Amino acid sequence: EEQLVESGGGLVQPGGSLKLSCAGSGFTFSAHTVTWVRQASGKGLEWVGRIRNKDNKYATAYSASVKGRVTMSRDDSTNTAYLQLSGLRSDDTAVYYCTGGGYFDVWGRGTTVTVSS
Amino acid sequence: QAVVTQEPSLNVSPGGTVTLTCGSSTGVVTSGHYPYWLQQKPGQAPRTLIYNTDDKHSWTPARFSGSLLGGQAALTLSAAQAEDEADYYCSLYYDGSRVFGGGTKVTVL
Repeated sequence: EEQLVESGGGLVQPGGSLKLSCAGSGFTFSAHTVTWVRQASGKGLEWVGRIRNKDNKYATAYSASVKGRVTMSRDDSTNTAYLQLSGLRSDDTAVYYCTGGGYFDVWGRGTTVTVSS
Repeated sequence: QAVVTQEPSLNVSPGGTVTLTCGSSTGVVTSGHYPYWLQQKPGQAPRTLIYNTDDKHSWTPARFSGSLLGGQAALTLSAAQAEDEADYYCSLYYDGSRVFGGGTKVTVL
């Protein structure tokens, strides 16, 4: 079964940082772009950014809302992608999903990040 | 950053047809925006139904179809069923990044 599992969410203080993980299985994780999408409670989906595969030099792109605070990386030896976000603000509070597999084929169930003092 | 627009809500009768649209603040939506359509039900992760304007995943019911219509991307749901009640999001590609629309809540009643 193709699967993505996010982890690393939790309660973080404003100004803090976090590192989320996205572990893939059941498909050729290394061949595909991994995209991060977030969703604040009761709101719509927001594209956060993506990291491409090795053939595309692991190129990254980020949304304006996180640019300068975000780093995406991946370790294809462990089929895991990462999202590091710093300078956390209340509006970063959301469920963070990763998706991949070609055409957003596979989605994780999400991990919840809450930014609050 | 471009803004992607969708109808906030639409109603459809069981067995009826409804078309959702997806517009771009930059102008006409083309195949080069590689439109995606996603379905999300309460408490669930999104699920991609349509990619690259009109391509379907193996799990996409035949009653869903994607197209370009009047300068916008469109998702048509034919013969709607109660289980199709959900939020639908479109996503457009812009020079290396993607933008989601605000979503359309489809009610089957």
